[in-house]
Amino acid sequence: KAGVTQTPRYLIKTRGQQVTLSCSPISGHRSVSWYQQTPGQGLQFLFEYFSETQRNKGNFPGRFSGRQFSNSRSEMNVSTLELGDSALYLCASSGEYEAFFGQGTRLTVV
Amino acid sequence: QKEVEQNSGPLSVPEGAIASLNCTYSDRGSQSFFWYRQYSGKSPELIMSIYSNGDKEDGRFTAQLNKASQYVSLLIRDSQPSDSATYLCAVYGGYQKVTFGIGTKLQVIP
Repeated sequence: KAGVTQTPRYLIKTRGQQVTLSCSPISGHRSVSWYQQTPGQGLQFLFEYFSETQRNKGNFPGRFSGRQFSNSRSEMNVSTLELGDSALYLCASSGEYEAFFGQGTRLTVV
Repeated sequence: QKEVEQNSGPLSVPEGAIASLNCTYSDRGSQSFFWYRQYSGKSPELIMSIYSNGDKEDGRFTAQLNKASQYVSLLIRDSQPSDSATYLCAVYGGYQKVTFGIGTKLQVIP
């Protein structure tokens, strides 16, 4: 059974640019959640999608957005990047009983 | 009120001691409970799950659940430096929705 796949693994962007991250969940999982983790900080919830609908949203500015496709794959987009957006972005795929994380995308904004 | 609460730590324990990690949750309808371990710079991995009141043991790890008091804990016996990591509590509330705490950082001092 394939795990949760996040692409790309590493990304370097310049301030002001935008970026799109992708997450392919485990087959059969319809929920995908996104988290931001900065050095020394805990897991900060961004948003969750379930069956193509945003079900929950954390306290992040509108520059952070996401979507989910009919095959449950999800993307998150960050526009007008700031230095403070440098972080590890994790997605978690949830099924009927458990959730599993992808390897994460490490975004560096310079 | 946050749905899943954990003390962010750090929790420091000497090598060989018992580390006790705690988590409380707000949704009384929550069905399943999980602990994840995250090493620095890595993705969280599932290490324990518990579904009914009481204790569940797996090697040096014991998960404890008390639904009446809405708390779940993780005990690590004979703590080793390799146990130093952030431990995330997660709660499954149905409809493939898993909510995570921010994680507790554990430091095991040799």
